[in-house]
Amino acid sequence: AQKVTQAQTEISVVEKEDVTLDCVYETRDTTYYLFWYKQPPSGELVFLIRRNSFDEQNEISGRYSWNFQKSTSSFNFTITASQVVDSAVYFCALSDLISSGSARQLTFGSGTQLTVLP
Amino acid sequence: DARVTQTPRHKVTEMGQEVTMRCQPILGHNTVFWYRQTMMQGLELLAYFRNRAPLDDSGMPKDRFSAEMPDATLATLKIQPSEPRDSAVYFCASGLGQGQYGYTFGSGTRLTVV
Repeated sequence: AQKVTQAQTEISVVEKEDVTLDCVYETRDTTYYLFWYKQPPSGELVFLIRRNSFDEQNEISGRYSWNFQKSTSSFNFTITASQVVDSAVYFCALSDLISSGSARQLTFGSGTQLTVLP
Repeated sequence: DARVTQTPRHKVTEMGQEVTMRCQPILGHNTVFWYRQTMMQGLELLAYFRNRAPLDDSGMPKDRFSAEMPDATLATLKIQPSEPRDSAVYFCASGLGQGQYGYTFGSGTRLTVV
């Protein structure tokens, strides 16, 4: 069965520190997609990145970077030089086929609350 | 930017009342999800539509919840009768294809049942 684990419930860092949020997933699917979403205090879910299972290239976008390792079923997210505005809950999610194979579902991890202190 | 629109943003209702939440997916998106978010359970999938057809609603309490897509521009989630344990934030998300392009979430409906 599909599962997404974010073992870090809460992380607190001081501004300008680097921080890595961990995500480990389980799936039987060979083609799947991984996502990171940010939920700031205002409550909306903001899409950050999508990764295909067949593309293991790491990605960098400004201060954000993502490390996808299929061998360890991990898709970790690093924020470099964190800022107070990065404070939010971050969710990792997996899109894979449902058991019948007829459609895809989107399964979320439990989220990591990141607090960046000034 | 294209958005998923959810109404109402907030709803307070008394136990036993019917509640209807609405979602307007992004034009052209053919996949719609309904999620419920609570502190205890996190983000739970309630229902999932592809081309307006329900594909998976196994996460939804069938006795009181129902989800429909009367047309491509509207998805509804109804609770009848509502109970205090239904208090949560309900999110709608839409996407195109099989997830390869990502999903866009609405701002959510915060439901409080007293």
